[in-house]
Amino acid sequence: KAGVTQTPRYLIKTRGQQVTLSCSPISGHRSVSWYQQTPGQGLQFLFEYFSETQRNKGNFPGRFSGRQFSNSRSEMNVSTLELGDSALYLCASSLQGFGGANVLTFGAGSRLTVL
Amino acid sequence: DQQVKQNSPSLSVQEGRISILNCDYTNSMFDYFLWYKKYPAEGPTFLISISSIKDKNEDGRFTVFLNKSAKHLSLHIVPSQPGDSAVYFCAARSTGTASKLTFGTGTRLQVTL
Repeated sequence: KAGVTQTPRYLIKTRGQQVTLSCSPISGHRSVSWYQQTPGQGLQFLFEYFSETQRNKGNFPGRFSGRQFSNSRSEMNVSTLELGDSALYLCASSLQGFGGANVLTFGAGSRLTVL
Repeated sequence: DQQVKQNSPSLSVQEGRISILNCDYTNSMFDYFLWYKKYPAEGPTFLISISSIKDKNEDGRFTVFLNKSAKHLSLHIVPSQPGDSAVYFCAARSTGTASKLTFGTGTRLQVTL
C-alpha cells in the first residue's frame, strides 16, 4: 500500500513569491491535513480537508490556503512568501476522522526555504 | 499559548535501560493523546495512543501513562534500543476535532551503546 506522497520534497523561493505544495493521500483515505514544522515550534496545524471541504483551520494568516480534489489529493498554497515561512510542511491522511485515535499517516514533507 | 508541552528537548539513555519521555497539557477538552516518532528526512510515524478514559496503554516495549488530574502523560520505552533514537512528539486531540492534533515541540532521544 503506497504511503502519503508529497511533492516537491525540497524547494527554494524568494520573498514575495508564491508556492504550491502537493499531497497524495493513502488510497481510500478521505481526510487530508497539513502541518507546519519549524525549529522550536513543533508541528502546527494549518488546515484539514475532508471530501473537498475544509473541515478545520488553524491559526495561520490568509496567505495560507488549500484545497482538495475529488480524488482526495490536496494542495496547499502560500502567497507573498515571507522569510518566516521557511519550514517543513507535512501532509497527513486518515480514513475519515471523528472517533477513536484517528491515526494520521504523514508524508515525508516538503522543505521550503525562503530567501 | 503552548497547550501541549514537552519540557525536555533532549534525553540520552543507555541501551537496555528505560527511556521516559514526558508531556504536559493544559486543555481539559483533550480526549485522546498520541505519540509520534520522527527520524530525520522522514515524516512522523504513529507509535502509540491512549484515550482519556484510560490511564495506561501498552504495546510491546512501549507504554503510555496518562494522569488526568495532573494533565500529564509519559511514554516509557523498555528496553531502549539504538534504533529508538529519534525525535518523539506528544500530540493531543479534542473531541470532535478529528485530524486537528496539537503537538508538543518534541524530545530528541539518543540511545547510546
